Amino acid sequence: GAVVSQHPSRVICKSGTSVKIECRSLDFQATTMFWYRQFPKQSLMLMATSNEGSKATYEQGVEKDKFLINHASLTLSTLTVTSAHPEDSSFYICSAPGQGADGELFFGEGSRLTVL
Amino acid sequence: AQTVTQSQPEMSVQEAETVTLSCTYDTSENNYYLFWYKQPPSRQMILVIRQEAYKQQNATENRFSVNFQKAAKSFSLKISDSQLGDTAMYFCAFMKHVDYKLSFGAGTTVTVRA
Repeated sequence: GAVVSQHPSRVICKSGTSVKIECRSLDFQATTMFWYRQFPKQSLMLMATSNEGSKATYEQGVEKDKFLINHASLTLSTLTVTSAHPEDSSFYICSAPGQGADGELFFGEGSRLTVL
Repeated sequence: AQTVTQSQPEMSVQEAETVTLSCTYDTSENNYYLFWYKQPPSRQMILVIRQEAYKQQNATENRFSVNFQKAAKSFSLKISDSQLGDTAMYFCAFMKHVDYKLSFGAGTTVTVRA
């Protein structure tokens, strides 16, 4: 079946630095990908929609300058957390639609970000 | 905007028994999908079952079945013959027809006791 892979699975960084998280569709093309954020023992919240070849669309309340999204190819979307602070520490998960236009989604394994 | 409500933060069930998780949602859409996802300790999101709103027949996947009541906007999940591997957090989710954006409920932590 279709696979979505995220890298890194865990990252620790210092406050004020930037961190990039990659989301790849391994055996299919994805013109759209979605980024979610999940705090410990809480639900997933949609942050933004990554669109191949165009700007990402952000959900209300999500700072686009803080969370930069680039969808440079049909198989890769990146999320960059800029000038990270401890409150950005979270679990970030991406998803990509399947090819069938039937609502099927594939999720990455998630990336745990810890900002010291 | 769609809201999804899971009113049971935690559920515990004896192995081989049955447990039912509740989910209600609010939407003005007529055509949509509803999902139950399982998130084990590994945090990988695993699709348990999917229901298309225009289908009246309740979806089933092996030991997992749903009770979809469209008029009541209710979508409960029944896990039959519970197994230890079913221990996980379960999320109910709503998707407007094929826009691929999911609205998740708060989640229900299910613990299966040996």
